[in-house]
Amino acid sequence: GESVGLHLPTLSVQEGDNSIINCAYSNSASDYFIWYKQESGKGPQFIIDIRSNMDKRQGQRVTVLLNKTVKHLSLQIAATQPGDSAVYFCAETRYNFNKFYFGSGTKLNVKP
Amino acid sequence: DTGVSQDPRHKITKRGQNVTFRCDPISEHNRLYWYRQTLGQGPEFLTYFQNEAQLEKSRLLSDRFSAERPKGSFSTLEIQRTEQGDSAMYLCASSPIAGGRKTGANVLTFGAGSRLTVL
Repeated sequence: GESVGLHLPTLSVQEGDNSIINCAYSNSASDYFIWYKQESGKGPQFIIDIRSNMDKRQGQRVTVLLNKTVKHLSLQIAATQPGDSAVYFCAETRYNFNKFYFGSGTKLNVKP
Repeated sequence: DTGVSQDPRHKITKRGQNVTFRCDPISEHNRLYWYRQTLGQGPEFLTYFQNEAQLEKSRLLSDRFSAERPKGSFSTLEIQRTEQGDSAMYLCASSPIAGGRKTGANVLTFGAGSRLTVL
């Protein structure tokens, strides 16, 4: 999900299918990552996080994969539901956790 | 606790006017952050506080912007002499002091944001 100006990358999936949302980060020093979900008119909501000493972490219907070699993060959503429709952001931070850097986001559309 | 509260949710103002936004964080959270989000973009860091101390400010925070957290609880973000380019969603987030390397210990909890439109 690279930003292309004002136009968010969009992923359209059928209800019940699995979704994979990708994120590339730039700083190899980043060691903590979070996925956020943002619905229209609301603030970002925490989904799942992962530390750099892990490659994979699972939550309820969500899995985050981290590939430090190519600085790539992905969010997998199983059995996607209409309520999953939102914009998804990855955020990274570095050693001192003082601030998080957000990617530009991917819009997920779930078709019924 | 009802989470992070922001007020007002929407503000429309004319160019040149001053505006102030308020944020009430989660009560036990020591850290408070302000981010700005424009349409189609991810949140951009503006500044953060640890208790009442403002520890870092982004280059995005021009001298027309000022943030305070006088008693280490709520915070205000003031924009003076607003410009049309200031139109954005201003997001506040809070977190506990970094809890080390454990997952989940440093999550930012966001408010719903204050949307500013400068005419």
